[in-house]
Amino acid sequence: KAGVTQTPRYLIKTRGQQVTLSCSPISGHRSVSWYQQTPGQGLQFLFEYFSETQRNKGNFPGRFSGRQFSNSRSEMNVSTLELGDSALYLCASSASLWGGGETQYFGPGTRLLVL
Amino acid sequence: KNEVEQSPQNLTAQEGEFITINCSYSVGISALHWLQQHPGGGIVSLFMLSSGKKKHGRLIATINIQEKHSSLHITASHPRDSAVYICAVRTWGTSGSRLTFGEGTQLTVNP
Repeated sequence: KAGVTQTPRYLIKTRGQQVTLSCSPISGHRSVSWYQQTPGQGLQFLFEYFSETQRNKGNFPGRFSGRQFSNSRSEMNVSTLELGDSALYLCASSASLWGGGETQYFGPGTRLLVL
Repeated sequence: KNEVEQSPQNLTAQEGEFITINCSYSVGISALHWLQQHPGGGIVSLFMLSSGKKKHGRLIATINIQEKHSSLHITASHPRDSAVYICAVRTWGTSGSRLTFGEGTQLTVNP
């Protein structure tokens, strides 16, 4: 099976712009989670989607949003970019909601630089 | 105080040494995960634990729910084990479940 894929892998934006990142889960996986990783804050949970519904959201401002499509692919959007949004954005997929004891499989990440 | 604390933050070992990384947490959890992150960012899930002990090759993970503590052991360490090891706990709240991560332990194994 192909692994989790994320596009684009690298992105440079300027303050005030918006960005959309994409994640394609492993075939058959219905749960997708998003995480932000920065040197200062480490890994932080953004959202979790299952069957096109957001099941949980981390402590991020409303500029961060996401969605999941019927084929389980997911996108996350960040509007009005700030310098502090520069980070590695990781998505992970699992067959079911992670609370059920499933292993998550991580994508390679999208590295976003905001100038 | 962070909900998830790892120690040590940095660890340097010689090839062949036995390595232990510790994780302590302060909240009730449904599961604890050990993750490995290599340079470049790729993350691999190593273990998921809710009780007891698991073993995979040279890696062993244990958890003590009463003491809110987990350890990751690497036997016969090898330079390819050099990576950041991250502990994460799954908690449930009013808005659903979430993962909270430790700051990670940077492991360097020298030949």
